[in-house]
Amino acid sequence: GAVVSQHPSWVICKSGTSVKIECRSLDFQATTMFWYRQFPKQSLMLMATSNEGSKATYEQGVEKDKFLINHASLTLSTLTVTSAHPEDSSFYICSGGQGAYPYEQYFGPGTRLTVT
Amino acid sequence: AQSVTQPDIHITVSEGASLELRCNYSYGATPYLFWYVQSPGQGLQLLLKYFSGDTLVQGIKGFEAEFKRSQSSFNLRKPSVHWSDAAEYFCAVVTGYNQGGKLIFGQGTELSVKP
Repeated sequence: GAVVSQHPSWVICKSGTSVKIECRSLDFQATTMFWYRQFPKQSLMLMATSNEGSKATYEQGVEKDKFLINHASLTLSTLTVTSAHPEDSSFYICSGGQGAYPYEQYFGPGTRLTVT
Repeated sequence: AQSVTQPDIHITVSEGASLELRCNYSYGATPYLFWYVQSPGQGLQLLLKYFSGDTLVQGIKGFEAEFKRSQSSFNLRKPSVHWSDAAEYFCAVVTGYNQGGKLIFGQGTELSVKP
């Protein structure tokens, strides 16, 4: 099956700093990548959708200046949390969509972000 | 707007017993439906999907799901649960093409397995 990796798997950063999370599709070309946020014991909340070479489309209520998403190639997307604060602490999961609609999404293992 | 409802937040079954996790969706057109499983601290793994055709879908790990249009349901079943099946299960529907083909997730059902 299609594999998606995320790096780092966990990260601790100080309040006010920025942190970058990488999402890679290892054995397929992800025409579309999705970024989710998940709070403990809750479902996934879609943050944004990105297509290679295009600007990301953010969901309502998600601060695009805080959560910078770049989809530079068909195998790499990055999420940068800028000026992180403790309330940004969460589990971030990316997925890659393969082929045409309806996309079958393959999920990465997630990144645990803790802001101190 | 599309939505997915998983009525059961937490279910406990004994090992070896059968399992059914409920999922109801709201969608005007033909839905594209998924079941995912998530172990603690992990990403999501696809169990099975329904796009069209046979309404009884077989997945990995011995799971199956049945699409019932008349009931707007896509319930997940397993005839005999193993202790390793303890995890969080999510049902999801894909939004329309002009809405970006995004996944709408249910709230999730946490499955516990008693020895």
